[in-house]
Amino acid sequence: ETGVTQSPTHLIKTRGQQVTLRCSSQSGHNTVSWYQQALGQGPQFIFQYYREEENGRGNFPPRFSGLQFPNYSSELNVNALELDDSALYLCASRPPGANYGYTFGSGTRLTVV
Amino acid sequence: GENVEQHPSTLSVQEGDSAVIKCTYSDSASNYFPWYKQELGKRPQLIIDIRSNVGEKKDQRIAVTLNKTAKHFSLHITETQPEDSAVYFCAARGNRDDKIIFGKGTRLHILP
Repeated sequence: ETGVTQSPTHLIKTRGQQVTLRCSSQSGHNTVSWYQQALGQGPQFIFQYYREEENGRGNFPPRFSGLQFPNYSSELNVNALELDDSALYLCASRPPGANYGYTFGSGTRLTVV
Repeated sequence: GENVEQHPSTLSVQEGDSAVIKCTYSDSASNYFPWYKQELGKRPQLIIDIRSNVGEKKDQRIAVTLNKTAKHFSLHITETQPEDSAVYFCAARGNRDDKIIFGKGTRLHILP
């Protein structure tokens, strides 16, 4: 168990709906990133939060948004779901300092039908 | 934008032989290079990392080398075992915005 947990593990949504995915990081992990991993691909960076502020974003449209909370939990929200949003969504967190790699959660498998 | 290229996409080696996976990065300000192993249906797991002030790092059967001038880094696995079969991802973290960019992965098959 890595200390980074995600919920739910699996989710099926209909095109056009909205979804919220959750991540709970270890205490002290004040940096969290979200990634989208399509089948057979590497994780694609969505955005990163540091101390509850977004401090980096990848090539994803504004309908992908997030929040980070003081208790080291975070959310990924996706509006107006499209079929191509079907993927494994991973959160990854790390403690402060440049000498630590990210620890990934187990991911949420989102299927949009 | 930042980009990480990884080769090969698939690699098959005989058990006991060595495997080498190579990556290049575009952002010269990148300062941290982790490698992750992902087994089927599981999360990526950090197996080794290297920082830009080091040229080589070894951990048992796994080693990583970094050439900052050429902007490429490699993963070496020696004495491969069946449990090494997985998808391996290289990644690079920029110095400016701290985000980690992944390569597309290498599927490693260890043949009996």
